[in-house]
Amino acid sequence: DIVMTQAPLSVSVTPGESASISCRSSKSLLHSNGITYVYWYLQKPGKSPQLLIYRMSNLASGVPDRFSGSGSETDFTLKISRVEAEDVGIYYCGQLLENPLTFGSGTKLEIK
Amino acid sequence: EVQLVESGGGLVQPGRSLKLSCLASGFTFSNYGMNWIRQAPGKGLEWVASISSSSSYIYYADTVKGRFTISRDNAKNTLYLQMTSLRSEDTALYYCAGTTTFDYWGQGVMVTVSS
Repeated sequence: DIVMTQAPLSVSVTPGESASISCRSSKSLLHSNGITYVYWYLQKPGKSPQLLIYRMSNLASGVPDRFSGSGSETDFTLKISRVEAEDVGIYYCGQLLENPLTFGSGTKLEIK
Repeated sequence: EVQLVESGGGLVQPGRSLKLSCLASGFTFSNYGMNWIRQAPGKGLEWVASISSSSSYIYYADTVKGRFTISRDNAKNTLYLQMTSLRSEDTALYYCAGTTTFDYWGQGVMVTVSS
């Protein structure tokens, strides 16, 4: 199984500042078709998860452009610019390259 | 507006069965793969099972293989999860998630396995 390792476990950010969350996969997520199958989801408190970023760097519909995704074949970063109070929650990376589909353990973002 | 509404959860004894349903609306259900993902209390996300749009391809996590069955009825816009031989470790909030990239999520339905 592909293991997804996230860091840090939690991050506390002052509104208006930036935050970065890392995710590492135990295997390359770059498919031969050129697509990197890493995804980012946000679970706000008491809510269902929502898709933020698909295929490593593509913004999902309705997601503010303060969010961005980048990375290589095994190392990925979610960056949140100008953090707002509404960004609090748990961020998960996930790999959809192969079954079993797996997620990281999550990074909790809090506001200072 | 896309909606996924799960139902069928509850308290069940170990070894018993339960069937979850997920009613979809607001998108062409028959065009998309669907999934079940669960979240144990205070824990992260765990993928459970996936089914392709025409039910041709079905996949399960090893933790549920042989005990759970995912299915769908495209005429009824409904996804199912038949769960048998339930264990305490199956206790979780079960989400129905739509498309192969989990674009859409339901509100979740709680399944508690306890004697």
